Amino acid sequence: DAKTTQPPSMDCAEGRAANLPCNHSTISGNEYVYWYRQIHSQGPQYIIHGLKNNETNEMASLIITEDRKSSTLILPHATLRDTAVYYCIVRVAVRTDKLIFGTGTRLQVFP
Amino acid sequence: DTGVSQNPRHKITKRGQNVTFRCDPISEHNRLYWYRQTLGQGPEFLTYFQNEAQLEKSRLLSDRFSAERPKGSFSTLEIQRTEQGDSAMYLCASSPTGLGEKLFFGSGTQLSVL
Repeated sequence: DAKTTQPPSMDCAEGRAANLPCNHSTISGNEYVYWYRQIHSQGPQYIIHGLKNNETNEMASLIITEDRKSSTLILPHATLRDTAVYYCIVRVAVRTDKLIFGTGTRLQVFP
Repeated sequence: DTGVSQNPRHKITKRGQNVTFRCDPISEHNRLYWYRQTLGQGPEFLTYFQNEAQLEKSRLLSDRFSAERPKGSFSTLEIQRTEQGDSAMYLCASSPTGLGEKLFFGSGTQLSVL
């Protein structure tokens, strides 16, 4: 079962930062936070992941609270192409290493 | 681009027929996953291969479903005696060996059972 809670939908103006929250209050010490997104009619796409430190890559930043019970994905300058469903996933890097998806947040970027 | 390839992209079939989908993972990836996704839901895990060995199957995978990866390269997912409830997007993903590696997904096969 998914171990995360996300708002079902959010809006963001083009060019502004999109901040997508995720609650994972039952996360364990060896569990990572992963973010994927799914644009309509495509498979999910990896964005970023982290354990306890904040992370940044060319797509986004990931801010994890000190107690690790929540995190925020930041898209610094949202574009229309960022309109997608964003999934926050808690993953234990053992055995099959599968991802368990929840229902995600549908982000709509408007002009 | 040598990403994960899935064929066909769309499949329409009549109830009771058998269907087979193919997934070609990224060539050096040893791990292969099948997921199913219905409208408005996130992808649901179905099964996992490490090379040619099927190491995990979800309870969602009924006896009508079978997956193979005969030489540790491409994989097939067959559904026998399809039902309308099988209508969904079937997604394949692959990753390198190693814990915590990223999964790379294909664009999926959309199955419609009439």
